[in-house]
Amino acid sequence: AQSVTQLGSHVSVSEGALVLLRCNYSSSVPPYLFWYVQYPNQGLQLLLKYTTGATLVKGINGFEAEFKKSETSFHLTKPSAHMSDAAEYFCALSGGSNYKLTFGKGTLLTVNP
Amino acid sequence: SQTIHQWPATLVQPVGSPLSLECTVEGTSNPNLYWYRQAAGRGLQLLFYSVGIGQISSEVPQNLSASRPQDRQFILSSKKLLLSDSGFYLCARLLGNTQYFGPGTRLTVL
Repeated sequence: AQSVTQLGSHVSVSEGALVLLRCNYSSSVPPYLFWYVQYPNQGLQLLLKYTTGATLVKGINGFEAEFKKSETSFHLTKPSAHMSDAAEYFCALSGGSNYKLTFGKGTLLTVNP
Repeated sequence: SQTIHQWPATLVQPVGSPLSLECTVEGTSNPNLYWYRQAAGRGLQLLFYSVGIGQISSEVPQNLSASRPQDRQFILSSKKLLLSDSGFYLCARLLGNTQYFGPGTRLTVL
């Protein structure tokens, strides 16, 4: 069975501060890991992904994430938050047939001026 | 272009009425296609996926059904809507090893 846990349903940061959104996973097979972002009433947009190779992956809008197998984690970071980063972020895992995704419950990021 | 279209964008329907949501994709032929529902307090849930025309797999028992009449068309249906069917419905396609999502359909059942 696969699962994804996002610690913190709501994270609030000040503009210019570090953004850290936590994601831990459980998978019986080597996972593919994804971060998606969702703005209100829109679909999900891919931020970044880890499949194989380099464990530190860079995505759009200055975000990056590091795959740590020993910690079963894939935390999302950004050095300096911008107001436009305010959105909901989802961590997801695929590791079985047909690339089905298992999602975490999401983290709502608020950026304060 | 690998664009995903979803229609309609929003929909308000009474309980007991039928439903048809459409997803069409451009680009690569015979893509894997997926339907997800996002409901308040229940996160993102995979409802159906399809690996080809006429091939549908259901992930959860429910009031909904799916069909794939054409290579690039994926339809979500119901004969009689329930209040619990309200939510944001997302269609996704597989490109390589990654799913990409459409803009979604907001369904409100009253």
